Amino acid sequence: DGGITQSPKYLFRKEGQNVTLSCEQNLNHDAMYWYRQDPGQGLRLIYYSQIVNDFQKGDIAEGYSVSREKKESFPLTVTSAQKNPTAFYLCASSIGRSAGGLKYEQYFGPGTRLTVT
Amino acid sequence: GQQVMQIPQYQHVQEGEDFTTYCNSSTTLSNIQWYKQRPGGHPVFLIQLVKSGEVKKQKRLTFQFGEAKKNSSLHITATQTTDVGTYFCAGRGDYKLSFGAGTTVTVRA
Repeated sequence: DGGITQSPKYLFRKEGQNVTLSCEQNLNHDAMYWYRQDPGQGLRLIYYSQIVNDFQKGDIAEGYSVSREKKESFPLTVTSAQKNPTAFYLCASSIGRSAGGLKYEQYFGPGTRLTVT
Repeated sequence: GQQVMQIPQYQHVQEGEDFTTYCNSSTTLSNIQWYKQRPGGHPVFLIQLVKSGEVKKQKRLTFQFGEAKKNSSLHITATQTTDVGTYFCAGRGDYKLSFGAGTTVTVRA
């Protein structure tokens, strides 16, 4: 059964702690993305990766870091430098690499809801 | 930078009625995609429009891409309770996909 998995579904952390969100896909997609969703603001791009061992900053990369050591995995670390980390985080992938895979549809995981207190 | 605006932000519809949500970009788009997110769920791809003036239909949903490739619309006829959710447009400019804030649809039975 192909798709994208994100774990955990809900995550609670204390302020000042780093936390890593998992994203795994078995769709054999080249491109992967991390978005943040806040109420009324749609989806904002944090980081994206077009190929293994390469990634680029999106619109709101400050306070976040990523790695892409394997094609199927794209973990996101929310660092203590992120001023307002409480949000719904969505991972996505797409099949192609042309134009960063952007002309192809994106498949989204179920998301991780992070709460930092 | 590239910005994609969606209106209205909220749409309350009587079951059986029609409605339209609009998407406008500050720059010319290479293509536009539409996604639907059910309450508590994740966005799911609906359709992609590429050509100027393109119109595509999916059952009761009609998608249109403007002639200037700077705007798009989604029209739903005979709204059903299954149409509840948030509809996002996402426009591709030079190098990235920019999502609108979405139109959240509720349906009165």
